[in-house]
Amino acid sequence: DVKVTQSSRYLVKRTGEKVFLECVQDMDHENMFWYRQDPGLGLRLIYFSYDVKMKEKGDIPEGYSVSREKKERFSLILESASTNQTSMYLCASTVDRGLGNTIYFGEGSWLTVV
Amino acid sequence: AQRVTQPEKLLSVFKGAPVELKCNYSYSGSPELFWYVQYSRQRLQLLLRHISRESIKGFTADLNKGETSFHLKKPFAQEEDSAMYYCALSGQGAGGSYIPTFGRGTSLIVHP
Repeated sequence: DVKVTQSSRYLVKRTGEKVFLECVQDMDHENMFWYRQDPGLGLRLIYFSYDVKMKEKGDIPEGYSVSREKKERFSLILESASTNQTSMYLCASTVDRGLGNTIYFGEGSWLTVV
Repeated sequence: AQRVTQPEKLLSVFKGAPVELKCNYSYSGSPELFWYVQYSRQRLQLLLRHISRESIKGFTADLNKGETSFHLKKPFAQEEDSAMYYCALSGQGAGGSYIPTFGRGTSLIVHP
């Protein structure tokens, strides 16, 4: 069965802290994504990666960076967390770059920045 | 640029009533469209996609290129249909990848 795993489900961090959100997929997928999910705003793409060590900015990359050192792992980094980054973060993957691929989501990481 | 619009934040119906969740899109090429659903305390998952032309859990969606719409319909709503529904478009982005863009979501509540 397809699996996207986000290691941290709930985090509380202080303003200014560096935060790492980890995501692992076991499907040998090429594409991986980080979205932010906020009520009324839907899912907004932060970054995506279509290969190891490759990354592309999404719609809201400011304040975030990513790392993809291995195919199965895609990390989201908040260099200096701020309260407006309190949100639900969703990791997702698709098999490749093609059209019409199903997106597989992780369960999400709730981040609260105080 | 690609865009997905779901005009309704909330749709409230009674069990057995017809349901239509609206989705309009903007994309210069030929898009691929999806509906994703998130039930309470579950992860977001695919409900159906245009390319498959299938009906899942009684839901259907027809792509209308003239109106640039992909509305989700079900003739008789069930309580278990209560969930958050997202319309999504897969359009070509950087590096040649097809990037999914989501609407803001519609919360469907089906009352007994």
